[in-house]
Amino acid sequence: DGGITQSPKYLFRKEGQNVTLSCEQNLNHDAMYWYRQDPGQGLRLIYYSQIVNDFQKGDIAEGYSVSREKKESFPLTVTSAQKNPTAFYLCATSRDRVTEAFFGQGTRLTVV
Amino acid sequence: AQKITQTQPGMFVQEKEAVTLDCTYDTSDPSYGLFWYKQPSSGEMIFLIYQGSYDQQNATEGRYSLNFQKARKSANLVISASQLGDSAMYFCAMRESRERRSQGNLIFGKGTKLSVKP
Repeated sequence: DGGITQSPKYLFRKEGQNVTLSCEQNLNHDAMYWYRQDPGQGLRLIYYSQIVNDFQKGDIAEGYSVSREKKESFPLTVTSAQKNPTAFYLCATSRDRVTEAFFGQGTRLTVV
Repeated sequence: AQKITQTQPGMFVQEKEAVTLDCTYDTSDPSYGLFWYKQPSSGEMIFLIYQGSYDQQNATEGRYSLNFQKARKSANLVISASQLGDSAMYFCAMRESRERRSQGNLIFGKGTKLSVKP
């Protein structure tokens, strides 16, 4: 099955902990993105990567980190420096900078 | 300044009727793409329709059509013959091809919540 897999679907984090959200794709797309969505809001870009071993900060990168060691994988780490991490996180991929992006099912992160 | 504006936080439509969801955008890039996504309560983002800035005709995909008015910088989504399953959040988004700062990233509006009444 071609697609984007995000895991886990639900994640609970204690304050002060780092957590890593997984995003894997088998669409052979070069570009991958991480978005954050807060209740009743649109999506805001955290990080993006247009090619392996390269990534760029988006609009709200503070408190997050990423890596892109393989084309298929773009994990997002939410660090303890992120003051308000409770949100819905969406990973996306696209073939290029023009055509549509495809999204994973999302991870709902809650700080307890 | 907001690049994508969706002025309708919520909309109601009767089943089987048509509905228009508004979207205006702001860009100085001559080459851009406009997208509409649907987000049901489950959370996944479903791509619906795409319109390129150089496309001469309005895009259509089944019951979805995009009313593209370039001079007014609007890209409204029209859903014909609404169904109960159309109840969801709808997001308008834009990609700028040549704007270096955005580098082709998708920029989203805040969304419109559509409720279809039986």
